[in-house]
Amino acid sequence: DAKTTQPTSMDCAEGRAANLPCNHSTISGNEYVYWYRQIHSQGPQYIIHGLKNNETNEMASLIITEDRKSSTLILPHATLRDTAVYYCIVRPGREAGSYQLTFGKGTKLSVIP
Amino acid sequence: GAGVSQSPSNKVTEKGKDVELRCDPISGHTALYWYRQSLGQGLEFLIYFQGNSAPDKSGLPSDRFSAERTGGSVSTLTIQRTQQEDSAVYLCASSPSGLAGGGRELFFGEGSRLTVL
Repeated sequence: DAKTTQPTSMDCAEGRAANLPCNHSTISGNEYVYWYRQIHSQGPQYIIHGLKNNETNEMASLIITEDRKSSTLILPHATLRDTAVYYCIVRPGREAGSYQLTFGKGTKLSVIP
Repeated sequence: GAGVSQSPSNKVTEKGKDVELRCDPISGHTALYWYRQSLGQGLEFLIYFQGNSAPDKSGLPSDRFSAERTGGSVSTLTIQRTQQEDSAVYLCASSPSGLAGGGRELFFGEGSRLTVL
């Protein structure tokens, strides 16, 4: 399955937009991009997912490039509670094994007061 | 409860002892997953249950690890003859569906932190 590449860490000023990049250059046509985050000492939390189109929900926006080889998670107004590790995951389609999510090391986002 | 519940939240055991970790998934969720997270590492897939199908045990690291899911609900992860390298946070997640359909987001519990001395 496709792998993802994310920066190890990022800082963001409180109140500013946090833009977290993810490269997934080997993604195939039926694979989704998922984002989860893990706040310290908690289980991961689903944020958003997409296939081709940009997506937005109450937590974040997901921008996927036209060639689908990269994406950006945007937290429009970062707060201190957004400090967490953010995981970008490519999830296979409906063939065998599609239920598995492979979590890498993610990006450690620190929101600075 | 409303979310995935795991117990115990913390477990300290001696090397060689057996441990059992419990997961109560969200009611109605047919898919259940166990992951392991060692300190500073990403999540490692262990095992997956979907309805009445045979579980996918491909992620279990050794035959000392086993898991059951009774009645399609509660799951127990058992580690026999624990070793120090088994020390980790064991995370359980459930999902409304597994291989097909929408709503495949995973809902995670808070995890069970296992320390093997």
